[in-house]
Amino acid sequence: GAVVSQHPSRVICKSGTSVKIECRSLDFQATTMFWYRQFPKKSLMLMATSNEGSKATYEQGVEKDKFLINHASLTLSTLTVTSAHPEDSSFYICSANPVEGQGVEQYFGPGTRLTVT
Amino acid sequence: GQNIDQPTEMTATEGAIVQINCTYQTSGFNGLFWYQQHAGEAPTFLSYNVLDGLEEKGRFSSFLSRSKGYSYLLLKELQMKDSASYLCAAMDSNYQLIWGAGTKLIIKP
Repeated sequence: GAVVSQHPSRVICKSGTSVKIECRSLDFQATTMFWYRQFPKKSLMLMATSNEGSKATYEQGVEKDKFLINHASLTLSTLTVTSAHPEDSSFYICSANPVEGQGVEQYFGPGTRLTVT
Repeated sequence: GQNIDQPTEMTATEGAIVQINCTYQTSGFNGLFWYQQHAGEAPTFLSYNVLDGLEEKGRFSSFLSRSKGYSYLLLKELQMKDSASYLCAAMDSNYQLIWGAGTKLIIKP
């Protein structure tokens, strides 16, 4: 089956520093990857849609200069949380579609737990 | 606006059957997904319905009525490991998933 990995699984950083989270599709190519954020006991919130070779599409209210997304290849997308603050602490999950937007399920990475101290 | 409604929490007994309902309103429709999410983990795919009717997959079944904007997930022969949150998500005309807040299912012995 389609496997998506994320690295790191957990990260603790100090306020003001930047953190990079990688999302990789291991056995398929993904022209589109999605980045979600999830607060405790809340549903997934789509942050941005990452398109290979082009700029990401950010959802309303998500600061693109704070959450930098790069989709440099068909198997890798990265999310960089810049100048992190404690309120950025959350569970970040990526997902990928093997076929762009054709009604197939999204394959989720295992998530990255970010804690900003 | 786009909206997904599902109950916040449900409780059921081990070995029993439980039905989790979901109603949706989206701009266009390209299918309805159900995901299972254990605490602290990413969601895992359970089912996808785009046509009306019931799809059965082992102990889990999912139903869709497009005219009513309604779906349900049916879990049979409940096991303790089924305790999790179940997320309903509808795909809109732009192929984006609109997520419900999830239903926390508690299984009691």
